[in-house]
Amino acid sequence: DQQVKQNSPSLSVQEGRISILNCDYTNSMFDYFLWYKKYPAEGPTFLISISSIKDKNEDGRFTVFLNKSAKHLSLHIVPSQPGDSAVYFCAAMSYGNEKLTFGTGTRLTIIP
Amino acid sequence: GAVVSQHPSWVICKSGTSVKIECRSLDFQATTMFWYRQFPKQSLMLMATSNEGSKATYEQGVEKDKFLINHASLTLSTLTVTSAHPEDSSFYICSAGRGRDTEAFFGQGTRLTVV
Repeated sequence: DQQVKQNSPSLSVQEGRISILNCDYTNSMFDYFLWYKKYPAEGPTFLISISSIKDKNEDGRFTVFLNKSAKHLSLHIVPSQPGDSAVYFCAAMSYGNEKLTFGTGTRLTIIP
Repeated sequence: GAVVSQHPSWVICKSGTSVKIECRSLDFQATTMFWYRQFPKQSLMLMATSNEGSKATYEQGVEKDKFLINHASLTLSTLTVTSAHPEDSSFYICSAGRGRDTEAFFGQGTRLTVV
């Protein structure tokens, strides 16, 4: 049972444009969400997070939006840069638990 | 940010042998560490939660006798793959956090190849 889903396995975006990565979850107990970026043969690195009490969090070029009623979150990267090419995972955790549940990942390719 | 160091970054071993992977939190104490496995083109799958001073909690389907986890101190957790087989070949990653609602910090990962 995949509780966190990223339905797009891959995405290609022109350099300078906006990249939008989507994530859906089914467990209503999740209340904290994170996005990680991963290069091949490396551990994931943290990008940005959002608590369920917010609907938007922004950090530089990265913005995460949370729609609790739809159980949906998205990561916006603008402007997209070649170094953004990587696999992006969304992750979720529930109250009182540090355990992360990961989505299946989306491979983002930025086209110069 | 906090640093989690994982060693070795890659290892090749023969079938039937055991391999130990170390995960250290370098600048913070981690009462809980997590071990993940990633198959090619697949998501990170949580294998077990490592708790300092107590037994690890394994996810369903993970053989606890095959994947031995020891959390010897607040800064060190080890994963030992016992009697390794080629199907154990994978990318193993550990993580540690400083509590809920904070980012988890990941090790660099270990590429295990069993021949």
